Amino acid sequence: LAKTTQPISMDSYEGQEVNITCSHNNIATNDYITWYQQFPSQGPRFIIQGYKTKVTNEVASLFIPADRKSSTLSLPRVSLSDTAVYYCLVGDVGIRSGAGSYQLTFGKGTKLSVIP
Amino acid sequence: SQTIHQWPATLVQPVGSPLSLECTVEGTSNPNLYWYRQAAGRGLQLLFYSVGIGQISSEVPQNLSASRPQDRQFILSSKKLLLSDSGFYLCAWSEQVNQPQHFGDGTRLSIL
Repeated sequence: LAKTTQPISMDSYEGQEVNITCSHNNIATNDYITWYQQFPSQGPRFIIQGYKTKVTNEVASLFIPADRKSSTLSLPRVSLSDTAVYYCLVGDVGIRSGAGSYQLTFGKGTKLSVIP
Repeated sequence: SQTIHQWPATLVQPVGSPLSLECTVEGTSNPNLYWYRQAAGRGLQLLFYSVGIGQISSEVPQNLSASRPQDRQFILSSKKLLLSDSGFYLCAWSEQVNQPQHFGDGTRLSIL
């Protein structure tokens, strides 16, 4: 399992760009990198997914260096409604075979607080 | 479009009682299905996943079981609940492996 490491929390002012980095040193060749956003008492919501280089959609960008051992979620000009927990997830079930169970966890995520 | 339904939203159960949480997906066929649990202030832990009818994989030993009686129906069960089973239970689906997962609204389970 490609364990992920993220900062526990971040603060940002409204209108600023926010970059959240996730480390995944032992990412496997078949693993994709996916980011989710979660508000309290709700299920996580998909933000963006990538495999390498840069991916951009209408809400975020995802930067992945060539070695793929980290990734950075970039949120342009955050607003108060972007206050949430952001999870980086690497890999998925069913990819790995062999001994041992495949434990897929989201980790504790990064709690982003946007300040007015 | 695809939708996922999970119920009930909240549930309070006594220790030792049985449990059945249901999740259904609409608008897709043969999805991958997942059950997660999230303890307060913690990340999500995968409990079970299924890649097809009757195919259930368990990720952690526990007091819970899962079943997939129909293509788009995923059920989480327990014969006797423990205090440690309290938490926020989330069901999710994806088109296939390595595709984004889409989550339901969750069930807040409290064991008394």
